[in-house]
Order: sequence, then structure tokens, then C-alpha cells
Amino acid sequence: KAGVTQTPRYLIKTRGQQVTLSCSPISGHRSVSWYQQTPGQGLQFLFEYFSETQRNKGNFPGRFSGRQFSNSRSEMNVSTLELGDSALYLCASSLAAGGASLAYEQYFGPGTRLTVT
Amino acid sequence: GIQVEQSPPDLILQEGANSTLRCNFSDSVNNLQWFHQNPWGQLINLFYIPSGTKQNGRLSATTVATERYSLLYISSSQTTDSGVYFCAGGGSQGNLIFGKGTKLSVKP
Repeated sequence: KAGVTQTPRYLIKTRGQQVTLSCSPISGHRSVSWYQQTPGQGLQFLFEYFSETQRNKGNFPGRFSGRQFSNSRSEMNVSTLELGDSALYLCASSLAAGGASLAYEQYFGPGTRLTVT
Repeated sequence: GIQVEQSPPDLILQEGANSTLRCNFSDSVNNLQWFHQNPWGQLINLFYIPSGTKQNGRLSATTVATERYSLLYISSSQTTDSGVYFCAGGGSQGNLIFGKGTKLSVKP
């Protein structure tokens, strides 16, 4: 079974631009979560989607948004990019078959490394 | 919210040595996972271990949920074991809360 895939793997953007990252979960997984990793703050939770609905959200500004499609693929968007948005963005998928996603093991993709200049 | 603390922050070993990494969490968690982050940044699943003991080759893990800690044991370490090891616990929002990691360096 294929793992979690993320595209693109690397991205360079300029301050003020916007960016869209994509995540395809493991087949059959309905929950997709997004995390940001920076050297200063470590790994931080952005949001989680389940069956096309945002179920949980971390403490990030509204410039960070996401969505999930009917095939469980998810996208996250960051508008008006700031230098501090430079990070590794990781998505994770889990089965979450109707219950809380945390009752299930989460599997991570390879990440998208975003550099904002 | 839940806090996850890992120790030690850095660990340098000679190839062949054994090591124990510790993860303490401040409150009950309903999920506890150990990951190894490879040099390209991907988090590789090591163990999903809310409680009990599991073993996979040279690696094993034990979680004592009632005492709010988990241990990762690495035996006969190899240079390929180098990298950052994270533990993460399930938070009330339905997200994983990560520790700051243990950076392991195994010298040949």
C-alpha cells in the first residue's frame, strides 16, 4: 500500500505571496492532519480534517487554511507569506474510522520544505 | 494542554552501545507514538504504544500510562540509527503533541 504523499517537496516563495500544499493520505484513511516544523518551535499542529470537515485546529493565524476533498486528499494554503512561515510542513493520515483520530496510529508523509525569501 | 518532555536532548554513542530514551507526559494521553526523523525530514513510525511493551528488532518500547512515561530502547546501535527521535502524545484537540526530540549520534 502506498504511503502518504506530499507535493511539492520543495518550494521557494517571496514574502506576500500565497502557497498551496497538497497531501494524499494512505488509501482508506479518512483523517488528514497538518503540522509545521521549525527549528525554534518544533513540531506544531495546524489542523485536522475528517470527511471533508475541519475537526480540530491549532493556534495559527487565519492566513493558514485547509480543505479536504471527497477522496480524502487535502490541501493547505498559506496566504500573505511571511519569513517566519519558512518551515517543513508535514501531513499525517490515520484510519479514524468514525472515532477520534488519536485512537489510531498516524503516518506521516515526506513533507514539503517551504522557504520564504 | 498536555506537555511532552524528552530526555536526554542529545546523545552520542559508540557503535554497538545500548541506549534508553525517555518521554514524560504531563497528563493522560490516549495515543503515544515514537518516531525517527530521517535526514530528509520524514517521520518514520517506530512504535504506536499507548501502553505496554513492544519490540521490533533491536528497538523496543515501554509505556507506563499510569506513571505518564514511555521509554525507547535501542540495542547494539548502528550508525544508521543516528537522527532525531520524537515521542508524541495524543492531545485533547485530537492532535499529536510532540516533544523536542532526542538527537542521537552513533559514531563508528
